[in-house]
Amino acid sequence: DADVTQTPRNRITKTGKRIMLECSQTKGHDRMYWYRQDPGLGLRLIYYSFDVKDINKGEISDGYSVSRQAQAKFSLSLESAIPNQTALYFCATGAENIQYFGAGTRLSVL
Amino acid sequence: QKEVEQDPGPLSVPEGAIVSLNCTYSNSAFQYFMWYRQYSRKGPELLMYTYSSGNKEDGRFTAQVDKSSKYISLFIRDSQPSDSATYLCAMSERQGAQKLVFGQGTRLTINP
Repeated sequence: DADVTQTPRNRITKTGKRIMLECSQTKGHDRMYWYRQDPGLGLRLIYYSFDVKDINKGEISDGYSVSRQAQAKFSLSLESAIPNQTALYFCATGAENIQYFGAGTRLSVL
Repeated sequence: QKEVEQDPGPLSVPEGAIVSLNCTYSNSAFQYFMWYRQYSRKGPELLMYTYSSGNKEDGRFTAQVDKSSKYISLFIRDSQPSDSATYLCAMSERQGAQKLVFGQGTRLTINP
């Protein structure tokens, strides 16, 4: 089984819909991250969390929210999806400078 | 100006060639430097991890850091088709840094 599991792997939704991306990890690390990846822009940090009670905005948090339900679970929500949120989304966990990534969720907003 | 700049490529070379991938950065406080490899439809995975200036070798891969020039490189010797992937550099200021700063990633294709 993967150390970091993201669901769903692919999702197509319509503008204005609420959608949640889920992430769970079995590495036992406290730190969890959500990134989005766009061609030519690399990985950009959306939100990160160092424990269940600690949530921090990244560089592109507008339009997104997160929930840290447990040490091993960190979900990302798009309250009202818009087309420019079409991207590949990655969850990661880690300690120190080493991060372990999930396989990604490919999201299309029509 | 981005904190970390990486040529997105794409870069295409024949099998067996030596590949050089590079990143430049502007933040002189960066001390920890990483290279991640990302295969198609997969998440990035750590390939190399170095601290401060110098070289680190792991098999066919060599990571090189020149802090005076704010420049890091990843060399791949005897490149193989299985090395075809996107390579992302990443950096941080300290070991317990809150977050990493990633380059844009370079897409590399090794042609048989």
